[in-house]
Amino acid sequence: DTAVSQTPKYLVTQMGNDKSIKCEQNLGHDTMYWYKQDSKKFLKIMFSYNNKELIINETVPNRFSPKSPDKAHLNLHINSLELGDSAVYFCASSRGTGGTRGNTIYFGEGSWLTVV
Amino acid sequence: AQSVAQPEDQVNVAEGNPLTVKCTYSVSGNPYLFWYVQYPNRGLQFLLKYITGDNLVKGSYGFEAEFNKSQTSFHLKKPSALVSDSALYFCAVRDTRGQNFVFGPGTRLSVLP
Repeated sequence: DTAVSQTPKYLVTQMGNDKSIKCEQNLGHDTMYWYKQDSKKFLKIMFSYNNKELIINETVPNRFSPKSPDKAHLNLHINSLELGDSAVYFCASSRGTGGTRGNTIYFGEGSWLTVV
Repeated sequence: AQSVAQPEDQVNVAEGNPLTVKCTYSVSGNPYLFWYVQYPNRGLQFLLKYITGDNLVKGSYGFEAEFNKSQTSFHLKKPSALVSDSALYFCAVRDTRGQNFVFGPGTRLSVLP
C-alpha cells in the first residue's frame, strides 16, 4: 500500500500551460508538504498545510497555488509554466506540527516536471 | 536560523568496507536530526532519526548514526557497505517551530564492487 502517492510521475508540457500535480496520503497524517528538488538535487520547502490550513508559504511565485480539499490531499496547481519550473516536486506528510518536532516526514515518489 | 552541512559531495567506498557520510548542523535548542536516502528516480526514504537518548541511533538497512553534541555532528555510518547502498543521502534538521525540515545539500555515495 502506497503511503504518499502523487500523480503524474512524469509530466512534459509547454511553456505557458497550466498543470496540476495531485497528492494523497493514507497514513492518517494531518500535515502535508510540497518540496521542490532542483537540478542540483537541492530540496526546498514550498508549502505546508496542517488540517487544510496553510502554515508554510515560502517565497514561491504566485503562479504556484496549493489546494487542500481535506487533510489527506494536497494538490499543486501551476499556472503559466516557465522553463525554470522544470524540477522534481515531492509531496510529503507527517503527523502533527509545532511541538511535535520528532515526527518523521514521509515522502512520495516525486513528480518529474519538464517544461519545454 | 537552522542549517545543515554535508561537507562531501561524493563519497566512494569499496564494497565490504565501512562507510561514513558526514553531517554537521546548526540549530537553536535541542536538535531533531534525520537521515534520508534517495535512489535514482525515487522519492526520499527515511533511514533513522535522533530525538533524544542514546547518541548511537540504529536505522534501516543496517545504517546507524552517531550524534555528537559538542561537535554538532550527526554522521551516518555502516560497518560493511553494499553496492546497493549507492544512492544520494540527505541529512535534515527539524526547524525550531517543528513545521519544516531543513535539508543538507546531499552526498552521493558510490560503493564500488
